[in-house]
Amino acid sequence: GAVVSQHPSRVICKSGTSVKIECRSLDFQATTMFWYRQFPKQSLMLMATSNEGSKATYEQGVEKDKFLINHASLTLSTLTVTSAHPEDSSFYICSARDGGWANEKLFFGSGTQLSVL
Amino acid sequence: LAKTTQPISMDSYEGQEVNITCSHNNIATNDYITWYQQFPSQGPRFIIQGYKTKVTNEVASLFIPADRKSSTLSLPRVSLSDTAVYYCLVGFYNNNDMRFGAGTRLTVKP
Repeated sequence: GAVVSQHPSRVICKSGTSVKIECRSLDFQATTMFWYRQFPKQSLMLMATSNEGSKATYEQGVEKDKFLINHASLTLSTLTVTSAHPEDSSFYICSARDGGWANEKLFFGSGTQLSVL
Repeated sequence: LAKTTQPISMDSYEGQEVNITCSHNNIATNDYITWYQQFPSQGPRFIIQGYKTKVTNEVASLFIPADRKSSTLSLPRVSLSDTAVYYCLVGFYNNNDMRFGAGTRLTVKP
C-alpha cells in the first residue's frame, strides 16, 4: 500500500524555539494532506487540511500563525510549530489521500512526539 | 462529514471474535465507510473499507446494513496484538472533512 513518511519521530526542544515536521508521500502524489494532533488517551484532532499549492485550511481554534503549514509539492507537506511552548507538547500525525483512489482512503505517517521543555 | 458514534471501550479474550459497531445516522449517498487501527505512539493504519453489504479481507470483515446508518467491524479470533484503538471514518474522495470520532479502545486479554 501507499507509504507516508513522517520525520522526525521524536523531538525535544526548548520553549520559544520552532520545530519543523515533514510529511512525505513516498509512492503516490498527495493532492491533499491532513495534520492532526493527539493527546494521550484521546482521539486524533484535525488541525488543518492542506492542498498542494494553496493555503491550508485550519480548524476552528487552531492558530495559523503558530502552526505553519506548507504544501509546496505533491509529495511533501511541512508543519512548523513556531515559538513552541510546553502546552504544544503533543503527538502530531500527518496523513495523505492518494488522489488515484476513487474512494476515500487515508494513509498516515508514523507520528511525531513533540516535547517542549 | 457524517458524525460517528462508537463504544468507548471493549474487552475480549484471545481467540474470540470481536464485533465493533459504529453508528453514522447522517451518512451521505457518496460516503464510504473506512476503519482504522491505531497502536500507542503510532499513526492509524487502514484496516478495511466498504460502501454497502459485506466486505472481507485478510484481517477483518465489514458488515453494512441496507440503510448504511451503521457498520460493524468484525475481527476473527483476536490475539493480544489486536489490542488497539479502532476508528470508523465516513466520507468520500472529494470531501476533505476528515475528523475522527472518539474511537473504540479494544483490550484483548489472555
